[in-house]
Amino acid sequence: AQSVSQHNHHVILSEAASLELGCNYSYGGTVNLFWYVQYPGQHLQLLLKYFSGDPLVKGIKGFEAEFIKSKFSFNLRKPSVQWSDTAEYFCAANRGSYQKVTFGTGTKLQVIP
Amino acid sequence: KAGVTQTPRYLIKTRGQQVTLSCSPISGHRSVSWYQQTPGQGLQFLFEYFSETQRNKGNFPGRFSGRQFSNSRSEMNVSTLELGDSALYLCASSSGDGGNYGYTFGSGTRLTVV
Repeated sequence: AQSVSQHNHHVILSEAASLELGCNYSYGGTVNLFWYVQYPGQHLQLLLKYFSGDPLVKGIKGFEAEFIKSKFSFNLRKPSVQWSDTAEYFCAANRGSYQKVTFGTGTKLQVIP
Repeated sequence: KAGVTQTPRYLIKTRGQQVTLSCSPISGHRSVSWYQQTPGQGLQFLFEYFSETQRNKGNFPGRFSGRQFSNSRSEMNVSTLELGDSALYLCASSSGDGGNYGYTFGSGTRLTVV
């Protein structure tokens, strides 16, 4: 079955630390990849997405993610986190057009001032 | 433009009852997907509708059903509620294909079954 794995369930960082959240997906072939973010009390928002082309994708608020096909990974990165980045982050994937989108279980990021 | 609107925001139901949740997508969006969100399980896909047709379906029992109207508004229904159905139900809309364009999510309906 298609699956998306996020191995870090809870991450605590100090402000200005670098961030990398892991995401692995289970199926080969065509894949579309996403990162969504849910800030406290807010709804899920799209952070960035990858469909094809440059494997390094830049999103909003200084986030980026790298698609590594050989590792089935799509890790989220940010060079320097801020307290306002405290949120839950979800990786998601699907096999292409018109296919259901599968989400990981999420990673809660807590940034300490 | 207005976002994805889900009503009601909160519901408390008794085991065995049924419930209907509503979702109004962003104007012009024809695709509506539903997810169940629970702590530890993340988001579990329920179903997706596009132009009134169910395009994809998740692995939920037949007690979970949905439909989409000609104005793209969608409803999901859960019959014979169980305690385990307590969750946040999220609706997401997309202009064409959520798997290509990404979703816009609503704030969800928090269902508590007692």
